[in-house]
Amino acid sequence: DADVTQTPRNRITKTGKRIMLECSQTKGHDRMYWYRQDPGLGLRLIYYSFDVKDINKGEISDGYSVSRQAQAKFSLSLESAIPNQTALYFCATSDSGRVYEQYFGPGTRLTVT
Amino acid sequence: AQRVTQPEKLLSVFKGAPVELKCNYSYSGSPELFWYVQYSRQRLQLLLRHISRESIKGFTADLNKGETSFHLKKPFAQEEDSAMYYCALRGGGSQGNLIFGKGTKLSVKP
Repeated sequence: DADVTQTPRNRITKTGKRIMLECSQTKGHDRMYWYRQDPGLGLRLIYYSFDVKDINKGEISDGYSVSRQAQAKFSLSLESAIPNQTALYFCATSDSGRVYEQYFGPGTRLTVT
Repeated sequence: AQRVTQPEKLLSVFKGAPVELKCNYSYSGSPELFWYVQYSRQRLQLLLRHISRESIKGFTADLNKGETSFHLKKPFAQEEDSAMYYCALRGGGSQGNLIFGKGTKLSVKP
């Protein structure tokens, strides 16, 4: 299922560097989300967007920013990466009529050294 | 507060044994609950929702409002059921975002 893609799939970066994770979707969904997954902590919502002009903070937005360049593209940036941002990051999409059914990307494994 | 609790990080059972993955929630309104599953090397995906009251891959989940629970059950576990399972609650307000539990890793041994 390549409807939701994420780039890069793996990234190692150093503390203080700026990094961008990208997400693209071909499902035509209006809603897009960024989550991070940490062992023992499950999935936590970072940011979400209902459309190009509507971006909202999630549970853990500090240290992150996002850009919704088009309906199909939603990027997550770490302005100045720190080691505790080492995690698996997932992008997801959903249709506004079926918000509960989210389609996830394959994930980006980010390591900050 | 809206919260989902999955008390078990890891659940290990033998093939053919019954399995129950526990999920408790905290929500002031009428809850909408879901189970998501992530198989090895696959994407996280919706397994079932309480409203549909259907059985998917032999799994069922019943919403118990009195006990604020939504446990996932299967009478006879299969090795291919080994995966990470997340219980999710649809939050309130216009956003209606999903609130995920911390997940339970199910391991089915041969």
